[in-house]
Amino acid sequence: ETGVTQSPTHLIKTRGQQVTLRCSSQSGHNTVSWYQQALGQGPQFIFQYYREEENGRGNFPPRFSGLQFPNYSSELNVNALELDDSALYLCASSFGGGVTEAFFGQGTRLTVV
Amino acid sequence: ELKVEQNPLFLSMQEGKNYTIYCNYSTTSDRLYWYRQDPGKSLESLFVLLSNGAVKQEGRLMASLDTKARLSTLHITAAVHDLSATYFCAVGGSNYKLTFGKGTLLTVNP
Repeated sequence: ETGVTQSPTHLIKTRGQQVTLRCSSQSGHNTVSWYQQALGQGPQFIFQYYREEENGRGNFPPRFSGLQFPNYSSELNVNALELDDSALYLCASSFGGGVTEAFFGQGTRLTVV
Repeated sequence: ELKVEQNPLFLSMQEGKNYTIYCNYSTTSDRLYWYRQDPGKSLESLFVLLSNGAVKQEGRLMASLDTKARLSTLHITAAVHDLSATYFCAVGGSNYKLTFGKGTLLTVNP
């Protein structure tokens, strides 16, 4: 079991609302990446934060935004929720930025109705 | 853009049988990862392959990497029910993200 924790584990929101998901990285890790996993699909990269700065972004619109705090924990914010945003959101913790072995949290299951 | 293809996408096996899952990717990379995911759960890291010819084994699972062929395999030996899960390969390029395949849903039947 990894030391990456996400909250909440489940969430139901209404279309048009905003949501904030949280992730605490594993001890000693300074990099957090966020992934969206739709049902029956592989995870899709949203963005990565390294030392409190965005270090790369996937093909997601600007209404997906994030933050990383001095303790390397991170938030994913999604504005103006759409039905297609319903998915499992996974946070991955790693060290050193770039592509290294990533350890995933248990995920947040977001349902938009 | 890096593309990762896994096959098969669905695999139904009998206990005790052997099988191989294939992972092809489209551009040069020397970092390949295999993950396991149980229903409704997160991703568990199985193997990290970092060089051409790398082979790693854990229990009934063995993973290999051929960077020249842009191919990794996950071989299952004498399958047992506990191996039922979805298996993903993910490729790390020169940038900052992992690109995942669509996953292989493995069901091991008695």
